[in-house]
Amino acid sequence: ILNVEQSPQSLHVQEGDSTNFTCSFPSSNFYALHWYRWETAKSPEALFVMTLNGDEKKKGRISATLNTKEGYSYLYIKGSQPEDSATYLCAFPVRGGSEKLVFGKGTKLTVNP
Amino acid sequence: DAGVIQSPRHEVTEMGQEVTLRCKPISGHNSLFWYRQTMMRGLELLIYFNNNVPIDDSGMPEDRFSAKMPNASFSTLKIQPSEPRDSAVYFCASSRNGDLAYGYTFGSGTRLTVV
Repeated sequence: ILNVEQSPQSLHVQEGDSTNFTCSFPSSNFYALHWYRWETAKSPEALFVMTLNGDEKKKGRISATLNTKEGYSYLYIKGSQPEDSATYLCAFPVRGGSEKLVFGKGTKLTVNP
Repeated sequence: DAGVIQSPRHEVTEMGQEVTLRCKPISGHNSLFWYRQTMMRGLELLIYFNNNVPIDDSGMPEDRFSAKMPNASFSTLKIQPSEPRDSAVYFCASSRNGDLAYGYTFGSGTRLTVV
């Protein structure tokens, strides 16, 4: 069974703090890693798709890094704002190149004003 | 494009009744996925279609669940008979075949409550 682990499960930070969380995945047969942002009462939205070891992607104050050899990815948020409050999910294809994604349980971020 | 469209947004039904959830994928996307979200298990893949053909239904919990995709712009997920433990949010998502650059696009979900 493919295991995609995310930590921590939840996180509370103050507005302006920078934060990061982790996604761990099997390091063998790596193909791609997805990050999604899921706001309460909305649907998950794709943030990044990462494919290369050492890859770093950035969208505004959010960035992600990838280490395929050791099987982890970090998501960073610089200067958190209340609108960053959401659950951040990572997902991994079941088989290399497969479109079938297995999702982690997510990290729920709450940014207090 | 209006995105992935799901209906209804909310459904409350009595145990034993048939429930049909509907999904319209993004035009040009030829892969479609049905996921179920629960507190205990997170997002679980139920079934996915590629070019309207079911590719993997290993996540369908039991025979009470069935899914169809009669054409490229419409899919249904049916539960018959429904049970209280089926209560969850059901998401439909679509993607361009083999195009992992953009990930999935999810619909708004259908919140199902079986009483």
